[in-house]
Amino acid sequence: NAGVTQTPKFRVLKTGQSMTLLCAQDMNHEYMYWYRQDPGMGLRLIHYSVGEGTTAKGEVPDGYNVSRLKKQNFLLGLESAAPSQTSVYFCASRHEGAGGYTFGSGTRLTVV
Amino acid sequence: AQSVTQLDSQVPVFEEAPVELRCNYSSSVSVYLFWYVQYPNQGLQLLLKYLSGSTLVKGINGFEAEFNKSQTSFHLRKPSVHISDTAEYFCAVNPSAAGNKLTFGGGTRVLVKP
Repeated sequence: NAGVTQTPKFRVLKTGQSMTLLCAQDMNHEYMYWYRQDPGMGLRLIHYSVGEGTTAKGEVPDGYNVSRLKKQNFLLGLESAAPSQTSVYFCASRHEGAGGYTFGSGTRLTVV
Repeated sequence: AQSVTQLDSQVPVFEEAPVELRCNYSSSVSVYLFWYVQYPNQGLQLLLKYLSGSTLVKGINGFEAEFNKSQTSFHLRKPSVHISDTAEYFCAVNPSAAGNKLTFGGGTRVLVKP
């Protein structure tokens, strides 16, 4: 089925470990986004990309890095995980224009 | 910059009763407005959106929302809820001019009771 696929779905990290979350979309969307969801705070934008090879900071970028080497993939990296990064991470994509976003099913990350 | 406020963090409602979820936004530019629904352990699904034209927007699952520019509001309503409407609902805004970042409200959790 067409859509946005996130891997992994769950992960537990120890403080200081690193990991990469993968987002893949097969809809040929230009724009891709990484959000984190925390209780009572809605979704907050971490980083986004307006096209292959481009990335930009969102509202809460500290502690994260991203790459968009291929149009269909958007990677989110944590170089040295901290407990404050315990959250549910959502990837989203969309075409140019005013349409709605298509979201992945999320990655639940716990940092202990 | 824009911001979104969802005034109710939780809304309990009985099955077949009406529900209204409130959303207010602030922005210095005109915006597009969206409502998303998140069922337990799932991603977000688009319910409806306002881009231009009629201020009353109809979405999926019997939901509708009304854009009120003077009150900067975009409240979501459903005349009769079902148990399956139990979920979290998010209001979001995106600047209409050269904007490509969606800003979300804090969410409203709807619990439908039998």
